[in-house]
Amino acid sequence: KAGVTQTPRYLIKTRGQQVTLSCSPISGHRSVSWYQQTPGQGLQFLFEYFSETQRNKGNFPGRFSGRQFSNSRSEMNVSTLELGDSALYLCASSLGQGIAGELFFGEGSRLTVL
Amino acid sequence: AQTVTQSQPEMSVQEAETVTLSCTYDTSESDYYLFWYKQPPSRQMILVIRQEAYKQQNATENRFSVNFQKAAKSFSLKISDSQLGDAAMYFCAYRSRYYGQNFVFGPGTRLSVLP
Repeated sequence: KAGVTQTPRYLIKTRGQQVTLSCSPISGHRSVSWYQQTPGQGLQFLFEYFSETQRNKGNFPGRFSGRQFSNSRSEMNVSTLELGDSALYLCASSLGQGIAGELFFGEGSRLTVL
Repeated sequence: AQTVTQSQPEMSVQEAETVTLSCTYDTSESDYYLFWYKQPPSRQMILVIRQEAYKQQNATENRFSVNFQKAAKSFSLKISDSQLGDAAMYFCAYRSRYYGQNFVFGPGTRLSVLP
């Protein structure tokens, strides 16, 4: 069974640009969560989508947005990039219903903002 | 809101020795899940072990075991017979049993294994 796939793996942007990251969950998983990982702040929760609906949202500005498609694939978008947005963005999928199961993580998309 | 604390930013252990990583959490809930995740350098995060709060027995997965103290809200990870491949960041995580609640991660502990 294929794991969680994130694209692109690495990208470099300049301040003011926008970026879109993609995540394909494990087949059958309906929940996709996004995390921002930085050395100083650790893992910070961005949002979770389940069956195309945002179920939870972390404490990030409105520049950070996401969506989920009917096939459970998810995208997150960051507009008007700032230097502080440089981070590893992790996507994780889970079955998402009933008893809380484990998260399965992708390898991440490393964003560098210059 | 729940919080997870890992008081040891870095630790080291000699190969073949035993090491314990600490984790404490704060919650007002009685039913929840606790996890330890491992993130090797430049590799994806994987689940090491999971504990359900309503189970008194400590979880064990091969060389990995936990010491779950519910009253003290403590959830430590013991790695026995440490191997070079155990070197990684280890994150303790909490998730409510209630539907739709997200994971809360601790800041992580970087474990080095010395040959």
